[in-house]
Amino acid sequence: DAKTTQPTSMDCAEGRAANLPCNHSTISGNEYVYWYRQIHSQGPQYIIHGLKNNETNEMASLIITEDRKSSTLILPHATLRDTAVYYCIVSRTSGNTPLVFGKGTRLSVIA
Amino acid sequence: GAVVSQHPSRVICKSGTSVKIECRSLDFQATTMFWYRQFPKQSLMLMATSNEGSKATYEQGVEKDKFLINHASLTLSTLTVTSAHPEDSSFYICSPQAPYEQYFGPGTRLTVT
Repeated sequence: DAKTTQPTSMDCAEGRAANLPCNHSTISGNEYVYWYRQIHSQGPQYIIHGLKNNETNEMASLIITEDRKSSTLILPHATLRDTAVYYCIVSRTSGNTPLVFGKGTRLSVIA
Repeated sequence: GAVVSQHPSRVICKSGTSVKIECRSLDFQATTMFWYRQFPKQSLMLMATSNEGSKATYEQGVEKDKFLINHASLTLSTLTVTSAHPEDSSFYICSPQAPYEQYFGPGTRLTVT
């Protein structure tokens, strides 16, 4: 699976949009971009995933560049409960391929 | 989303004893189960992959005789840490695989004293 590069940490003011970048320049054509987050001492929580089109759900938006070499996760109105480590992962969706976690970005939402 | 449970959520045991962690997928059947562990301030590391009814395959550096995985049914998998030592203290997370999506349990914090 392709590797990803994310900033180690970011701060965001409560109520503002949090934009978390991810580089995945070696992504293959059949690999999706997944975003998970992990709140302290909990299991990872699925946020969103996409292949090449931008995606939006009730939690976030995912913007993927046209060349698919990078993406941005957008939390439109960050709250204190969004403080977590956010992982950007590229992976195929085949059943027996486990997700490989990098170091992620530690997002701190500040009141 | 799918519901995954782990039991216990926290356990403290003495060095040399064994600990069993249960993982259940409550509303779907998982033919494949992944087990991860996470040391403090580190990311999740895959330990092993098991398919229902088959022996688990372990990642390099993970001792198969120490971390026993049983995936006897499509809704239950267990991880037994045998002869635990303080260096096995970690956060263990199960991850059942459904078609096109991988779910995660809430994790089990193991402390070996």
